[in-house]
Amino acid sequence: DAKTTQPNSMESNEEEPVHLPCNHSTISGTDYIHWYRQLPSQGPEYVIHGLTSNVNNRMASLAIAEDRKSSTLILHRATLRDAAVYYCIPLNAGNNRKLIWGLGTSLAVNP
Amino acid sequence: GAVVSQHPSRVICKSGTSVKIECRSLDFQATTMFWYRQFPKKSLMLMATSNEGSKATYEQGVEKDKFLINHASLTLSTLTVTSAHPEDSSFYICSARGGQGIGGYTFGSGTRLTVV
Repeated sequence: DAKTTQPNSMESNEEEPVHLPCNHSTISGTDYIHWYRQLPSQGPEYVIHGLTSNVNNRMASLAIAEDRKSSTLILHRATLRDAAVYYCIPLNAGNNRKLIWGLGTSLAVNP
Repeated sequence: GAVVSQHPSRVICKSGTSVKIECRSLDFQATTMFWYRQFPKKSLMLMATSNEGSKATYEQGVEKDKFLINHASLTLSTLTVTSAHPEDSSFYICSARGGQGIGGYTFGSGTRLTVV
């Protein structure tokens, strides 16, 4: 399984963009890059995933480096509700592969 | 979007009793569900993979007789913590694959178990 490196914590101000980096230099060619987040005392929540091209959805954007060894989750305008732990997880598209959870990045959003 | 409903959200039980936690996929079928345990300030730890109609696959170090998993239908998996002890107190989370495009997983809201 590919190993990931994320900053332990980051801080942002409300209404400002946030760029959350993740290094996954050992990712295999068939691994998708998934991002999940976990708000306090809740189960994780799917954010976004991608393979090679940048991806956008209503929650965030995912920028994937050309060599796929890193990616960046972009929250365009942080809100207080975005305060959570963000996890990036490489995952093969095969059936029933297990999510391997690192420590993620704890994002604090200041009002 | 896909929803996984987990109940109860919070439970307090006495030592020696058993507690059942339910995990339901509400709008999609889940042949496979996953059970996690999470200690405070720590990451999620996979306990077992629950397969509909067959035995669960437990991760190394997880006692199968202590954490009974049943996945009798495509929408329901249960985790029973048997003969609970204070050290079993934790946050338990289930998830199911599906509803989020290729390879995406949907999670329940978690169950806070406190054994007194």
